[in-house]
Amino acid sequence: SSELTQDPAVSVALGQTVRITCQGDSFRNYYVSWYQQKPGQAPILVIYGKNNRPSGIPDRFSGSNSGITASLTITGAQAEDEADYYCSSRDSSGPMFGGGTKLTVL
Amino acid sequence: EVQLLESGGGLVQPGGSLRLSCVASGFTFSSNAMSWVRQAPGKGLEWVSTLSDSGGSTYHADSVKGRFTSSRDNSKNIVYLQMNSLRVEDTAVYYCAKRDFYETSGYFNYWGQGTLVTVSS
Repeated sequence: SSELTQDPAVSVALGQTVRITCQGDSFRNYYVSWYQQKPGQAPILVIYGKNNRPSGIPDRFSGSNSGITASLTITGAQAEDEADYYCSSRDSSGPMFGGGTKLTVL
Repeated sequence: EVQLLESGGGLVQPGGSLRLSCVASGFTFSSNAMSWVRQAPGKGLEWVSTLSDSGGSTYHADSVKGRFTSSRDNSKNIVYLQMNSLRVEDTAVYYCAKRDFYETSGYFNYWGQGTLVTVSS
């Protein structure tokens, strides 16, 4: 089965831009979705489709895709963006998630 | 407002059974696919199952196939996860999630708060 690969941890200075990446063969056929999860809370959807944000998600969050690499970009990171971020797609077996990236805002 | 509320978690011995429930509100339940996703303590997210809007089609991860069964009651807006032959490695928070689609690509646009299942002797 396919896999989605994420860097375990990324840090960014307050107000700067950070890119969180996810690699997977499935991106050739399916759009990626991105989820934010804070400690003790359920995940929330932040990006889906080509580059769509659900209602209530700040426009500093954006998504992009290049070949087998999908990216979540936070432009002007805020303290409240510190969280775990998961990418998701699917393969022939069903939906799957990356291992997650812990974002630290310095 | 979409709400998903899971229940039924708890402590169970290896080999035991448990049934989780998820009550949905705030959307047309019978028109939407639903999923279960779990998260072991300190670990990442793992998809468990998806049910079609009618419940006529169900899909399960290989790790639970043959042991877990998903079903739904559209008259009550409830989705169930029947878990049999539980193993220690099934210990996790189990989330109910609403499954939606952008073209042919699925995503989970709403999540419940989760219910903890602990499998231990």
